[in-house]
Amino acid sequence: IVMTQSPDSLAVSLGERATINCKSSQSVFYSSGNKNYLAWYQQKSGQPPKRLIYWASTRESGVPDRFSGGGSGTDFTLTINNLQAEDVAVYYCQQHFGIPPWTFGQGTRVEIK
Amino acid sequence: EVQLVESGGGLVQPGGSLRLSCAASGFAVSNDYMNWVRQAPGKGLEWVSVIYSGGSTYYAGSVSGRFIISRDNSKNTLYLQMNSLRVDDTAVYYCVRYIYSFGFDPWGHGTRVTVSS
Repeated sequence: IVMTQSPDSLAVSLGERATINCKSSQSVFYSSGNKNYLAWYQQKSGQPPKRLIYWASTRESGVPDRFSGGGSGTDFTLTINNLQAEDVAVYYCQQHFGIPPWTFGQGTRVEIK
Repeated sequence: EVQLVESGGGLVQPGGSLRLSCAASGFAVSNDYMNWVRQAPGKGLEWVSVIYSGGSTYYAGSVSGRFIISRDNSKNTLYLQMNSLRVDDTAVYYCVRYIYSFGFDPWGHGTRVTVSS
């Protein structure tokens, strides 16, 4: 499964909204469990990635509610409302549907305008 | 606290071998799906390999036939044996736990592998 994110980078003013898109080449929705096997990760400079969202829309404990995930099947979004300076990072989507390989998108760099 | 600590990275010549280790604490590596993910300098994340709790293993096409993932349950440690290393294997290698359906968490801090003559 190929994961394609857009845009590759975006610059957003503090307090504004950032939206990242992620498209999979085939559906990652498990009908039996009614879940999308799609996660979002945040990677700040010099750090390992950190899981933000799983099942496409469930926030990890402790993640601010300005982060939200949506979508189903093959099209997904990560939205960061009220962008803060500490949100500067590269964001990755990842599918973990079925038998590996479990693939990542190419990443989207979020910067402050 | 759940923690993963990688070791074993370093500089190796093309064609050489290296074994990475990942010591786990706070959980048993035998109970979950354990992965290696790598990140080449300035690049994105690339999934490398997984070992299931039942012992099945899977590899990315780019490393299949050259890398071997394994674990030692008594030491609660994950390994990645890397053979026939190539320049494009240069990356930071992360050890990551996967709990079924929830995605990858936590991530270790990574160990750097440089393949160069």
